Amino acid sequence: KQEVTQIPAALSVPEGENLVLNCSFTDSAIYNLQWFRQDPGKGLTSLLLIQSSQREQTSGRLNASLDKSSGRSTLYIAASQPGDSATYLCAVKAGGSNYKLTFGKGTLLTVNP
Amino acid sequence: DAGITQSPRYKITETGRQVTLMCHQTWSHSYMFWYRQDLGHGLRLIYYSAAADITDKGEVPDGYVVSRSKTENFPLTLESATRSQTSVYFCASSEGLVTGELFFGEGSRLTVL
Repeated sequence: KQEVTQIPAALSVPEGENLVLNCSFTDSAIYNLQWFRQDPGKGLTSLLLIQSSQREQTSGRLNASLDKSSGRSTLYIAASQPGDSATYLCAVKAGGSNYKLTFGKGTLLTVNP
Repeated sequence: DAGITQSPRYKITETGRQVTLMCHQTWSHSYMFWYRQDLGHGLRLIYYSAAADITDKGEVPDGYVVSRSKTENFPLTLESATRSQTSVYFCASSEGLVTGELFFGEGSRLTVL
């Protein structure tokens, strides 16, 4: 059974800091991994999608990497801003059952001005 | 506007009543999903659909019914609501099942008294 873990559960940083959010998964047979952002009371916004054949994806100040062999992904946020404050979730699409997306519990990020 | 819209955004009902949550997408994505999000459980898949008139169960389907007569609509019905179905419900869609990026609606917050 695929399990996805995100550490830390919460992170507080000062504005301008570069930071890394971690996501680990137990079964490396995945199709892809997706990072989402969720603001309070809102839906999930897709940030980056990394296919299993890719090592990383970039969008603006965000960079996500994928290491299937070690079962890890990181989301790097450069020059953090208060507007980046949100919960960040990673989700892994399992290789065995092609519809199943397994979510982590998320990391609550607070960027202090 | 393009995207996924859910209605109602907030609903309060009583135990035993029937409730239908609506989901409409304008991308013509083949795949649509219903998730529920609860503290301590994260996001769990209720049902998904691969196309009009094709639906299948997810992790927690009991007590829910779905239909998909048109590609763009995927309503979720609670036939006899229970307090344990108090949750935030998210509809999502994807172009491709295996490699497609998942896009979420804003959610429907349901309270069953």
